[in-house]
Amino acid sequence: QQQVKQSPQSLIVQKGGISIINCAYENTAFDYFPWYQQFPGKGPALLIAIRPDVSEKKEGRFTISFNKSAKQFSLHIMDSQPGDSATYFCAAGNSGGYQKVTFGIGTKLQVIP
Amino acid sequence: GAVVSQHPSWVICKSGTSVKIECRSLDFQATTMFWYRQFPKQSLMLMATSNEGSKATYEQGVEKDKFLINHASLTLSTLTVTSAHPEDSSFYICSAPWGREEDEQFFGPGTRLTVL
Repeated sequence: QQQVKQSPQSLIVQKGGISIINCAYENTAFDYFPWYQQFPGKGPALLIAIRPDVSEKKEGRFTISFNKSAKQFSLHIMDSQPGDSATYFCAAGNSGGYQKVTFGIGTKLQVIP
Repeated sequence: GAVVSQHPSWVICKSGTSVKIECRSLDFQATTMFWYRQFPKQSLMLMATSNEGSKATYEQGVEKDKFLINHASLTLSTLTVTSAHPEDSSFYICSAPWGREEDEQFFGPGTRLTVL
């Protein structure tokens, strides 16, 4: 059972454009939704995370939109740059310390000049 | 931010041998660490939760006798792949939660295991 569904699996965006990655979850008990960025041969790094008490969180060019009723959340990368080319994973889990998270399948983003 | 290291970064071994991978939290203490494996172009699959001073908790379908986890100190967890076979070849990544609410997981750089 895939608890976190992520789409698209690959995305090509022109430099300066907006990259949008969508995720949906099934477990209503989840209350922590992070996004991770992974470069080839490296471990993932936390990009931005949101909790259900807010509908949007912005950090620089990265924004998470959260729709609790639809059980969906998305990552928007504004003014996409070639350096943003990486694989992005959404995840969902429970807050409160030492809780495991479930990852989406990942989206390989390529930003072309 | 917190730093997690892994050693080795890559290892090649013969089928039937055992390989130990270390995961260290460098600037914080981690009573819990997570071990993942990642196949090429696929997502991270949680293998087990490593708990300092107690037995690890394995995810369904993960052979605990094949993937031995030891969390002997607050900064070190080890994963030993016993009697490795080519199908065990993968990218193994550890993580440790840290932060005000310990929600944020800091990942190590990963270990590429190739079994010949």
